[in-house]
Amino acid sequence: KQEVTQIPAALSVPEGENLVLNCSFTDSAIYNLQWFRQDPGKGLTSLLLIQSSQREQTSGRLNASLDKSSGRSTLYIAASQPGDSATYLCAVDAGGTSYGKLTFGQGTILTVHP
Amino acid sequence: DTGVSQNPRHKITKRGQNVTFRCDPISEHNRLYWYRQTLGQGPEFLTYFQNEAQLEKSRLLSDRFSAERPKGSFSTLEIQRTEQGDSAMYLCASSLGSGFGKNIQYFGAGTRLSVL
Repeated sequence: KQEVTQIPAALSVPEGENLVLNCSFTDSAIYNLQWFRQDPGKGLTSLLLIQSSQREQTSGRLNASLDKSSGRSTLYIAASQPGDSATYLCAVDAGGTSYGKLTFGQGTILTVHP
Repeated sequence: DTGVSQNPRHKITKRGQNVTFRCDPISEHNRLYWYRQTLGQGPEFLTYFQNEAQLEKSRLLSDRFSAERPKGSFSTLEIQRTEQGDSAMYLCASSLGSGFGKNIQYFGAGTRLSVL
């Protein structure tokens, strides 16, 4: 059974700092990995999707990397802003007969203070 | 397109009552997913549809839960004889389908259920 773990559970940083969020998964046979953002009381917004054949994806100040063999992904946020404050979730899609069924980590709560 | 729409946003019910939630996916999205999220946890997969066919159900979905997607459009999730443990946020997501570039899931804002 796939298990996804995110470290740290919570992170508080001053504005402008670069930061890294970590995600690990137990079964390396994945189809893709996604990073989501969730604001309090709201749904999820997809930030980046990395296919199993890719090593990284970039969008603006966000960069996500994937090391499938070691079961790890990182989300790098450059020059953090207070508006980045949210819960960040990673999710893996095992593909195959489980295609589309996402397994989520418990999330990292990020607070960026001015 | 306004995205994935879920109704109601909040539902408060007494234990033992039945509740039904509705999800309207993004038009032309063939796949529709239901997840459940409890406080401080990531979402957990419940079930999903390819058009009107329900392809997989999680073991979390007891026989008190039923989901439908008539005509492959909107979907409903019904919980019968609610229990306090059913209190959670119920999230719906949709995607274009399978294949590269089509499998990004777009989530609705969720329905928060409180069972008293």
